[in-house]
Amino acid sequence: QQQVKQSPQSLIVQKGGISIINCAYENTAFDYFPWYQQFPGKGPALLIAIRPDVSEKKEGRFTISFNKSAKQFSLHIMDSQPGDSATYFCAASRRGGADGLTFGKGTHLIIQP
Amino acid sequence: DAGVIQSPRHEVTEMGQEVTLRCKPISGHDYLFWYRQTMMRGLELLIYFNNNVPIDDSGMPEDRFSAKMPNASFSTLKIQPSEPRDSAVYFCASSLGQTAQYFGPGTRLLVL
Repeated sequence: QQQVKQSPQSLIVQKGGISIINCAYENTAFDYFPWYQQFPGKGPALLIAIRPDVSEKKEGRFTISFNKSAKQFSLHIMDSQPGDSATYFCAASRRGGADGLTFGKGTHLIIQP
Repeated sequence: DAGVIQSPRHEVTEMGQEVTLRCKPISGHDYLFWYRQTMMRGLELLIYFNNNVPIDDSGMPEDRFSAKMPNASFSTLKIQPSEPRDSAVYFCASSLGQTAQYFGPGTRLLVL
């Protein structure tokens, strides 16, 4: 049973455009939702995270939107740059993050110059 | 400040051999996680520790896998005997309480 579903699997965006990646979860016990960025040959690196008491969180060009009733959350990358080309993973966890992460399958993002 | 350190970075071994992966978490962190990444299954949690005590090992594939954390600065993941289907990238991550998990660079394991 896949507890976190991520889409799309791959995404091509023009430089300067907005990249949008979506995730949906099933387990209502999840209460911590991070996004990770991974470059080839590297470990995942935390981009931004949100807890369900807020509907949106913004850090620089990265924004998480969270819809608790729909059990969905999304990552928006504004003014996408070629350096943003990477694989992005959404994840979810219980106990405020003091628990193992359940990851989505990942989105391979390519920003065309 | 050093991040999570993993060794070796690459390991090639033959089926049936014992493999030991090592991890040094970020100093002061009280949680340590082991994950495995494959093309087919993505990133999946194997086991995690809190204050050196295993909390959830439900993701460990089978008895061939074992993990230990003898002290706050060291953990091992052992596979004995190894099989080709164990080929994957193994990540260690650490965190302090309800905060972000920081991942190491991973160990790329190939079992022939």
